Amino acid sequence: ETGVTQTPRHLVMGMTNKKSLKCEQHLGHNAMYWYKQSAKKPLELMFVYNFKEQTENNSVPSRFSPECPNSSHLFLHLHTLQPEDSALYLCASSITATENSPLHFGNGTRLTVT
Amino acid sequence: RKEVEQDPGPFNVPEGATVAFNCTYSNSASQSFFWYRQDCRKEPKLLMSVYSSGNEDGRFTAQLNRASQYISLLIRDSKLSDSATYLCVAREGNQFYFGTGTSLTVIP
Repeated sequence: ETGVTQTPRHLVMGMTNKKSLKCEQHLGHNAMYWYKQSAKKPLELMFVYNFKEQTENNSVPSRFSPECPNSSHLFLHLHTLQPEDSALYLCASSITATENSPLHFGNGTRLTVT
Repeated sequence: RKEVEQDPGPFNVPEGATVAFNCTYSNSASQSFFWYRQDCRKEPKLLMSVYSSGNEDGRFTAQLNRASQYISLLIRDSKLSDSATYLCVAREGNQFYFGTGTSLTVIP
């Protein structure tokens, strides 16, 4: 399925680096999400955008900075991360953030912070 | 307190067996429910939505009991390819609450 694509697939970065994760959806959806998945934990919601407006910031540290230039694209800018930020970062989309429709996930970026 | 609770397993079943997973959710305002499967080191993929009247998709049957805040997934005639982690999800507004997943291994 190529409905939601994420790049890069893998990323290794030092704690002083700046990098960005990219997500693009081709499903015509209007809501996009960033989730973090760590081992043995449930998926953690980070940010929600609905029609390009941020509607949720789940107490995420400022070293993670989202950007949503339009309904099809979502970025996550990373700066001065910590080793505990190593995880699988998943982008998802849904029809809107309020309808009872499911999430469609991208293939994720596996991030390692050294 | 977890919003969605699942038995982590692992469930190890022989091919052809029937297996059932259960899930409970704590937020009575949850409006919609889903099952996802996640293969090792891959993203979650939607398996099926769960409707109040129960619904079936081939070998998979999902049930919802709102009074007990309980969701189930039944897999009949298990295949090797069903081996994965199954995630239970409850949605309220823009919040999707995920369980930690139930691990299934189907053995030849």
